[in-house]
Amino acid sequence: QSALTQPASVSGSPGQSITISCSGTNSDIGIYNSVSWYQQHPAQAPQLIIYDVSHRPSGVSNRFSGSKSGNTASLTISGLQAEDEADYYCISYTNTGTLEVFGTGTKVTVL
Amino acid sequence: EVQLVQSGADMKKPGESLRISCKASGYTFTNYWITWVRQMPGKGLEWMGRIDPSDSYTNYSPSFQGHVTISVDKSITTAYLQWSSLKASDTATYYCARHGVEVAGVPSVWFDPWGQGTLVTVSS
Repeated sequence: QSALTQPASVSGSPGQSITISCSGTNSDIGIYNSVSWYQQHPAQAPQLIIYDVSHRPSGVSNRFSGSKSGNTASLTISGLQAEDEADYYCISYTNTGTLEVFGTGTKVTVL
Repeated sequence: EVQLVQSGADMKKPGESLRISCKASGYTFTNYWITWVRQMPGKGLEWMGRIDPSDSYTNYSPSFQGHVTISVDKSITTAYLQWSSLKASDTATYYCARHGVEVAGVPSVWFDPWGQGTLVTVSS
């Protein structure tokens, strides 16, 4: 199975809200709520920011929120800050042989 | 504190074998799976596979099946990723992470925390 589809880049000004989409199929996002999101700063390990579509781990800013509609999951960052500039990845369980598949990744730029 | 600490960077020649490690601490090792993720230079994340430390049951992505082996040693709460014959295309940073377990028969796909990453360079 191919990777889930994310926009290559999204940008916004400080204080604005942005949304990153993660498009899948009815073999993954469409039928499972097993979607999580990760933030990765340059030369650092990824960090979990959303799990099970919309749950935030302890310690993660409430400016991050997740949702799902049909075959597409979304990550919204509200009140954009300079520290949010990073790469973001989604991942979902899939009932194909691949089992788990990452998104293509989105680079967020704070203007 | 839940922590995963990986072995250091390694440089190998094509055809050589390699095993990298991931030492877990701060939680019950057998209560969560361990997953491995590849990140090639300048590229995105790729899921490689996962292991249940309680019984060493493994699942692999078809892209990696047959080329790598994931294993654990419960006695020292350590997971491993190994290659028997490296290729130049295996050059990448490899991350281990604690993986959520099944809920109602469906794996809960979340990874937290992650190890710091191990850079593997394969070059003649």
